[in-house]
Formats: sequence, structure tokens, C-alpha cells
Amino acid sequence: GAGVSQSPSNKVTEKGKDVELRCDPISGHTALYWYRQSLGQGLEFLIYFQGNSAPDKSGLPSDRFSAERTGGSVSTLTIQRTQQEDSAVYLCASSSWNNEQFFGPGTRLTVL
Amino acid sequence: RKEVEQDPGPFNVPEGATVAFNCTYSNSASQSFFWYRQDCRKEPKLLMSVYSSGNEDGRFTAQLNRASQYISLLIRDSKLSDSATYLCVVRYSGNTPLVFGKGTRLSVIA
Repeated sequence: GAGVSQSPSNKVTEKGKDVELRCDPISGHTALYWYRQSLGQGLEFLIYFQGNSAPDKSGLPSDRFSAERTGGSVSTLTIQRTQQEDSAVYLCASSSWNNEQFFGPGTRLTVL
Repeated sequence: RKEVEQDPGPFNVPEGATVAFNCTYSNSASQSFFWYRQDCRKEPKLLMSVYSSGNEDGRFTAQLNRASQYISLLIRDSKLSDSATYLCVVRYSGNTPLVFGKGTRLSVIA
């Protein structure tokens, strides 16, 4: 069956611009996660959605970052006024309760 | 102190060698433990879960020592295709986000 998909696969933007990254989780998965992986760094948790509960935003690095999940399915991560330190691979994962998290292929963001 | 610490490597081993990776975690309340594999420029994929009793999947053996907060992965008879970064991962409970180590890079050489 279809896995987690993300778009775009690559995004190059100029410092100060806003970007939107999209994640389509596996159908039926109630939990959705955003992580990012910077060069030489481990994966870092950003935000987590579980069903209809309020999202856990504790990993967001600044108020320039926000995410929403519409209809319990697709999620969009928005970064406003991008900075060069935002350059990273943004990974989305989904899971059903207490089960394996499946990752999408990621969006590689480069801020010039 | 990082929540999950791993030796970054790289480990360069010949085909057929046995290689061991170690990992320590700082939060004693952690409940679930995993090894993920990440190929270059690809997403992480679950290699195996780790249980206190130890578990084996073919050439791969994982061990957990809760008292020492220590996790290990042993790969026997290394193959070229085992070359990847191995990520040590913990989870505090249920569906909470995963906490990743920075990974250990393995290169298996012919």
C-alpha cells in the first residue's frame, strides 16, 4: 500500500520567505509527527498530532514554525521568515496507536 | 548531556566481520527502544525493536540493559548491503515522539 508521502522533495528559498511543506500520512494512521535532520545532527522532534487532541508543539524551535493537520489526515508545516539555520531535511512520520512510525522521504529545504 | 548517545563512528569493517554498536540513554522512564537504519539521503526505517530479554533477527542481535540504560546492536557476518547509519532510538511511552541518537555510520568493505 501507499506509504507516507511528502512534497516538495526539494525546496530552495531565499532568506526571509515563507515556506509550506506537506505530508500525506498512511491512511488510517491517527498519529502524525514532524522531525527535522540538520547536517551532522540527529533527528529532532518538532511537533506531534494524535487524533483530535491538541498537538504537542514542544519541539518547535521558534514561533516562526507552525503546523496544522486538516481533517485528521494531511499536515502542513509552515516556516515563516526563513533563516539559513532552517536548512535541513524535514521528515514526516505516521503511526497507528503504539505502533511503528513510518517515515516519508522528507523535504530537503535550503535557505539561501 | 544528550538524551541518547552513540559513538558516531565511522566503523569500517571487512565483509564477514562482526561489529557491535552501543548506545546509552539518559531518561530512566523510557519504555520502548529501537534500532533504525538510515541509508544515505533516505528516510530512517525500523530495523528492530529492542527488548529486555534480548532479541535476534537473522544476523542482527539487540540487547537492552535497563539498569545501565544501555542498548546494543550486534551484526554478524557483515554484508556490503549493511553499509548505512544505525540510529539508536528511545520512546518514553505509547505514541510519544521518538528520541534519536545521532547515529553510527557503518561501512562494510569488500
